[in-house]
Amino acid sequence: DGGITQSPKYLFRKEGQNVTLSCEQNLNHDAMYWYRQDPGQGLRLIYYSQIVNDFQKGDIAEGYSVSREKKESFPLTVTSAQKNPTAFYLCASSKWSGANVLTFGAGSRLTVL
Amino acid sequence: QQQVKQSPQSLIVQKGGISIINCAYENTAFDYFPWYQQFPGKGPALLIAIRPDVSEKKEGRFTISFNKSAKQFSLHIMDSQPGDSATYFCAASIGAGNMLTFGGGTRLMVKP
Repeated sequence: DGGITQSPKYLFRKEGQNVTLSCEQNLNHDAMYWYRQDPGQGLRLIYYSQIVNDFQKGDIAEGYSVSREKKESFPLTVTSAQKNPTAFYLCASSKWSGANVLTFGAGSRLTVL
Repeated sequence: QQQVKQSPQSLIVQKGGISIINCAYENTAFDYFPWYQQFPGKGPALLIAIRPDVSEKKEGRFTISFNKSAKQFSLHIMDSQPGDSATYFCAASIGAGNMLTFGGGTRLMVKP
């Protein structure tokens, strides 16, 4: 079955440590996205990528970094510069011609202790 | 600046009742309005969507009503069931190739 796989599902880290969240898709979608979900704030875009080796900042990119070395993969690193990293992180993908139709992964919940 | 405002933030409905979630937008260039449904611990999934050339779209128990002049759209869930308990997000975009702007989400609980 085609879809998006995010790992790990739950992650605990100490303050000041960088963490990397994995996102893999086998939908042959061109575009991939990272969203952050906090209660009452909806889904906020962190980074997105339309093609391999290219990505753009979203609304809340500070303290995060990404790479897009392969079409199927779009990992997100939460750096120690992110002031409030505890959140639910969602990866999504779309055909670029239909960027407004998103397929989401199951999410990764990061808790910083 | 939140371009899509969603209300209420949470909603409790009895089984068999009607659930109504409202969204208002500011950008008149928006021309695609989807709703996503998210179950606990899962990612959101597209539920139903509407374009401004129609005032209503129905799929099963789910209906989107759209009021272009008021810049508002809403999701109605008829005969609400406990299995409908989820978080619902409205969204909007300009054209097919542009990014979605999401509302803040509504957590719906349907009591048996």
